[in-house]
Amino acid sequence: EEHLVEAGGGLVQPGGSLRLSCAASGFMFNNYDMHWVRQAPGKGPEWVSVISANGGSAYYEDSVKGRFTVTRDNSRNSLFLQVSSLRADDTAIYYCARHGKEGDNYIGFDLWGQGTLITVSS
Amino acid sequence: EIVMTQSPGTLSVSRGERATLSCRASQSVSTNLAWYQQKPGQGPRLLIYGASIRATGVPARFSGSGSGTDFTLTISSLQSEDLAVYYCQQYDDWTPITFGGGTKMEIK
Repeated sequence: EEHLVEAGGGLVQPGGSLRLSCAASGFMFNNYDMHWVRQAPGKGPEWVSVISANGGSAYYEDSVKGRFTVTRDNSRNSLFLQVSSLRADDTAIYYCARHGKEGDNYIGFDLWGQGTLITVSS
Repeated sequence: EIVMTQSPGTLSVSRGERATLSCRASQSVSTNLAWYQQKPGQGPRLLIYGASIRATGVPARFSGSGSGTDFTLTISSLQSEDLAVYYCQQYDDWTPITFGGGTKMEIK
């Protein structure tokens, strides 16, 4: 069965840093582009970042550029998000998500983890 | 940035009745449009992709339509388990990928 499991969230002071991880299992991790999506309390999902299947390309939402870095280790079926210079408005559940494909066509985010909560507060 | 606008914000429908949710994109996204269902305490679940294709395991009462800028998610006969928030998402432009603000489905 296919799974994504996030870890690494927690309570952090403004300006602090964390490293989130996402462990993938049950599918060929290195075949898929992977995303981070966050959801602030009571709000809708917000896309944060994407990394290509081979790790060669990454893109970020404007508010996190220069503060967040996405990486992956295909040998360990793992995705990471280094988050730094954290602000109160970064408080959210952070999900990793797989961008599904059918042949050469993307089909949306077809597999999500359960999320890990980052709370930024003094 | 492509802005996704969903309406209504809340929709109250009786069990067994039809529910129609709308999503509008600020510019064309072709059919690179997905719908997600999110129940309380859970992560989003992919329902529809390619604007009209049901994801694996999604009941046939869910259907999607539209292309370009205007899209619709229809639940043909609302069930109790459909209580959730529904989000549309465009994945035509990845910088950034954007979600709508959601429609909260209530059982009347």
